[in-house]
Amino acid sequence: QKEVEQNSGPLSVPEGAIASLNCTYSDRVSQSFFWYRQYSGKSPELIMSIYSNGDKEDGRFTAQLNKASQYVSLLIRDSQPSDSATYLCAVNRAGGFKTIFGAGTRLFVKA
Amino acid sequence: DAEITQSPRHKITETGRQVTLACHQTWNHNNMFWYRQDLGHGLRLIHYSYGVQDTNKGEVSDGYSVSRSNTEDLPLTLESAASSQTSVYFCASSDTGTGDTGELFFGEGSRLTVL
Repeated sequence: QKEVEQNSGPLSVPEGAIASLNCTYSDRVSQSFFWYRQYSGKSPELIMSIYSNGDKEDGRFTAQLNKASQYVSLLIRDSQPSDSATYLCAVNRAGGFKTIFGAGTRLFVKA
Repeated sequence: DAEITQSPRHKITETGRQVTLACHQTWNHNNMFWYRQDLGHGLRLIHYSYGVQDTNKGEVSDGYSVSRSNTEDLPLTLESAASSQTSVYFCASSDTGTGDTGELFFGEGSRLTVL
């Protein structure tokens, strides 16, 4: 079992719709959770971090964390073609600074 | 502005040759990481360092080595390049002091082809 699992996609949504990206992790002692966005041919960039159960909103992005289910999600509201990218879920274990990534979900937003 | 730079950005080498990828950060971060990215595998951790003279193996460390002689640099060396090491390599850093150590800053990547 991979430590961090994501559906590879591609996930295709029309412009203006909500895109929902999901991630599960295997290590119950994980403490910190992140979403990175990676455009084709570019390096990953952090877009959201979440540490507590519940929702965290930042503009059009909402991260959701459920530690009991070991589940993290990212919602993108009012999706734009510029949101088309690969979204990487990442997890930090408790007591360490080592970040483990999922394989990523490719998102296409159709104009 | 602080940044993290990698060199070379592109390299083609032959099987068996030694290759070194450079990573230099001006964030003054304690933590530095090397990842490789391959289709279907995402980012996999090769080696990491929590400070000067500290190095640790990641999940795919065989055939790679690193050294940390100062805060700014973490070069990655492939002792004897193999075709399986053809990949895109990303260097990243994070700051211990802020407590948000999972916030990684990435370099632009180095694309290595081993023929």
